[in-house]
Formats: sequence, C-alpha cells, structure tokens
Amino acid sequence: QKEVEQNSGPLSVPEGAIASLNCTYSDRGSQSFFWYRQYSGKSPELIMFIYSNGDKEDGRFTAQLNKASQYVSLLIRDSQPSDSATYLCAVPPAGGTSYGKLTFGQGTILTVHP
Amino acid sequence: SAVISQKPSRDICQRGTSLTIQCQVDSQVTMMFWYRQQPGQSLTLIATANQGSEATYESGFVIDKFPISRPNLTFSTLTVSNLSPEDSSIYLCSVDSGGGNTIYFGEGSWLTVV
Repeated sequence: QKEVEQNSGPLSVPEGAIASLNCTYSDRGSQSFFWYRQYSGKSPELIMFIYSNGDKEDGRFTAQLNKASQYVSLLIRDSQPSDSATYLCAVPPAGGTSYGKLTFGQGTILTVHP
Repeated sequence: SAVISQKPSRDICQRGTSLTIQCQVDSQVTMMFWYRQQPGQSLTLIATANQGSEATYESGFVIDKFPISRPNLTFSTLTVSNLSPEDSSIYLCSVDSGGGNTIYFGEGSWLTVV
C-alpha cells in the first residue's frame, strides 16, 4: 500500500463548480498535511497546510482533515479555468520533526472547462 | 515566504558527465531538501542537507551519485554524477521557512540527458 494515495484523475469540472480532491494516508501517526498546486512546466506552489481535524478555509480553498478515517481533502469553490493544474497532497513524517521530508501522492490532474 | 533561487533552470547534458545544481535562499534555514520529479511522476525526496554535516540520503539514493554540499545556511548544491538518460528529471530544492507549516520549493532545474 502506498503511503499517500490520490486519484490521478483527470478530474474535469465546469467553471463555477466545486472541485473535490481527495488524499488518503497510511501512517496513523501523521499529524499535518500539505496541498500543493503544480502547473505544467512549473514547480509546486503551496496552497494549504492543515494540522487539526475539521476544516480550514483560505479564500476559495477549503481543506478537510479526518484523522480517524485517514483522509484529507481539498475543495475548490467557484472553480476557474486558471485552477487547471495538478494538485499534490504531501505528508511529513509522523512525530513532528523534519517537516520538509515530505512524502507526496501521485497528484490529481484537475481540468476546469469553461 | 522564502525566496528560493535555483540554477540552472534548464540544461541538456551528455551522458557520462555531471551537472551541479545550485540553490540559494534569501534567509537562513537549518535544513534544505532536494527532490526529484521524473517525467509524469510525483516528487521523491533525495536527501536532506544540514549545514556543517553530511547530507542524509533517502532509500535508493547514494552519495556517490548525488553528492550534496551545504557550505552555509543559505546555500546548497546537488550534483548529479555520471549522467544517464534515466536521470532526466526536474530537480527541486525546498526549505521549511518557519514552524513546519510553510515548505516552499524553488523553481526547479530541468535536466535532459542525451
């Protein structure tokens, strides 16, 4: 079983809809989670960090964490064509040290069509 | 957020040669991280570079192939040695700019081996 799993997609949504991206992880001790956006030909861009159970909102983005079920999701409201990218879920080691040593999921390709 | 600069941004190298990638950060950081992203794949951690000590390599990566230097708290280099076409990837430098909740990436170095 992979440590961090994402549906590779592609996920296609119409402009203005809510895009829902999911990520599951295997280490029950994992405490924090990152979402990155990567446009084609570019490096990953940090869009969200979540630590606590529940929801965290930042503009059109909402991250949801459910530690009991070991999944974290990213919702993008009012999706725009400019949101079309690959979204990467990343998990640091459990234990709260070396946050930069991230394990990435394979990424979900999101396409927002006009 | 930290500003992370990488050089070169792109290069085409002959097999059997080596390429050294530089990473410069605009603030002092304890740890710097090097990742590889092979074509169509997600990111994989190569090693962690601490100032004043040997780099720590992840499983599957060895110092002879990926020597790393970390001469000060704002700079690191990654060398990819004895290049083969399988080394064609994006190499990314990242840092934790504070508190473990802000892991940023440089622009990446696109390497093609011919």
